[in-house]
Amino acid sequence: GNSVTQMEGPVTLSEEAFLTINCTYTATGYPSLFWYVQYPGEGLQLLLKATKADDKGSNKGFEATYRKETTSFHLEKGSVQVSDSAVYFCALRTSGGYQKVTFGTGTKLQVIP
Amino acid sequence: KAGVTQTPRYLIKTRGQQVTLSCSPISGHRSVSWYQQTPGQGLQFLFEYFSETQRNKGNFPGRFSGRQFSNSRSEMNVSTLELGDSALYLCASSPEAGEDGELFFGEGSRLTVL
Repeated sequence: GNSVTQMEGPVTLSEEAFLTINCTYTATGYPSLFWYVQYPGEGLQLLLKATKADDKGSNKGFEATYRKETTSFHLEKGSVQVSDSAVYFCALRTSGGYQKVTFGTGTKLQVIP
Repeated sequence: KAGVTQTPRYLIKTRGQQVTLSCSPISGHRSVSWYQQTPGQGLQFLFEYFSETQRNKGNFPGRFSGRQFSNSRSEMNVSTLELGDSALYLCASSPEAGEDGELFFGEGSRLTVL
């Protein structure tokens, strides 16, 4: 079956530090890959996505590249802000999977001033 | 445009009771899916509905059920509640089941079972 593995948290960084959150996946077929973010007390919202190999998704300074050869979709940001403190979820959906999205366990990021 | 609305936001039940949670999707969205979020298990897929039909179901016992109405609003029901059912239940909607489609989530219903 499909699965998503992401690095354990929490991750604590100082403001303006570089962020990497690792994500690897196992899937049948050719999945679409997503990063969702959950701010405290809120539901999840899409941060970025990539639908085929070598695609790069980007939004709000965050980037992730779909690496088929390493089955990875690592999230990066060059300079984090306090407002980026949230839980980040890597996710995938395969062709024909309707709305059954498989999520990783989430990585909590805390950015301190 | 209004987002996904879930009610109630918070509720407390005791073991053995049942609970019904409601989800109103974004206007025009026909697909609604439900997820259970717990600290230990993360986000677990419950089921997905499209045009009043359940198209996909996760690995949950039969105590968990759902339905979708003709206006796309959805409800999920949990019967004979157990302590382990305490969780945040998230509803997500989408216009159609495209593989690269974005899910739009509500803020969730937080259920505490005592």
